[in-house]
Amino acid sequence: GAVVSQHPSWVICKSGTSVKIECRSLDFQATTMFWYRQFPKQSLMLMATSNEGSKATYEQGVEKDKFLINHASLTLSTLTVTSAHPEDSSFYICSARDLLTGDTEAFFGQGTRLTVV
Amino acid sequence: GNSVTQMEGPVTLSEEAFLTINCTYTATGYPSLFWYVQYPGEGLQLLLKATKADDKGSNKGFEATYRKETTSFHLEKGSVQVSDSAVYFCALSGRPSQGGSEKLVFGKGMKLTVNP
Repeated sequence: GAVVSQHPSWVICKSGTSVKIECRSLDFQATTMFWYRQFPKQSLMLMATSNEGSKATYEQGVEKDKFLINHASLTLSTLTVTSAHPEDSSFYICSARDLLTGDTEAFFGQGTRLTVV
Repeated sequence: GNSVTQMEGPVTLSEEAFLTINCTYTATGYPSLFWYVQYPGEGLQLLLKATKADDKGSNKGFEATYRKETTSFHLEKGSVQVSDSAVYFCALSGRPSQGGSEKLVFGKGMKLTVNP
């Protein structure tokens, strides 16, 4: 299957700093990428949907100025957690789909464990 | 809106036991249905999928059948192994051509531990 690479796999940062997480589709063009946050006890929360070349669509309750999403090319989307605080510590996962092919399958990155100290 | 309800666990089984994880859904039109698996410390991997009623998805000994009449997509495996220990997510995706959303909607996940 297609591969989505997410980097870094883990990061520790100081409170108040910003952290960028990259999500790359390695062997297909991702017209749409999704960013999720995974809370303790597993539940996945969709944060936003990004389409190449346009602004991301954020889910209700997600601060767009805090979680900046950029999808500048068909193979790369980035999530920047700005002015991070300990409550932002979480596991962030991206997924990518090529909706132009009509394929319904989403491919997931391996996730990024963010710890804010 | 679309939603998925699945068994939440956690569940502990002995090796070679039979596994069933129930999943039911609510959706507009005819969604695609998925089971994803997450191994410790990793992202999600697609385990199997079904895109229309009565389709059966299968992979690695796991099976699930798309039952429109009961709006269900239960996951089964006849004999689990220690390596099946993971978190299992049921999910659905709508079809924009039918007025649905392409967003994946997940159940809350179920943690499975298989002991030797």
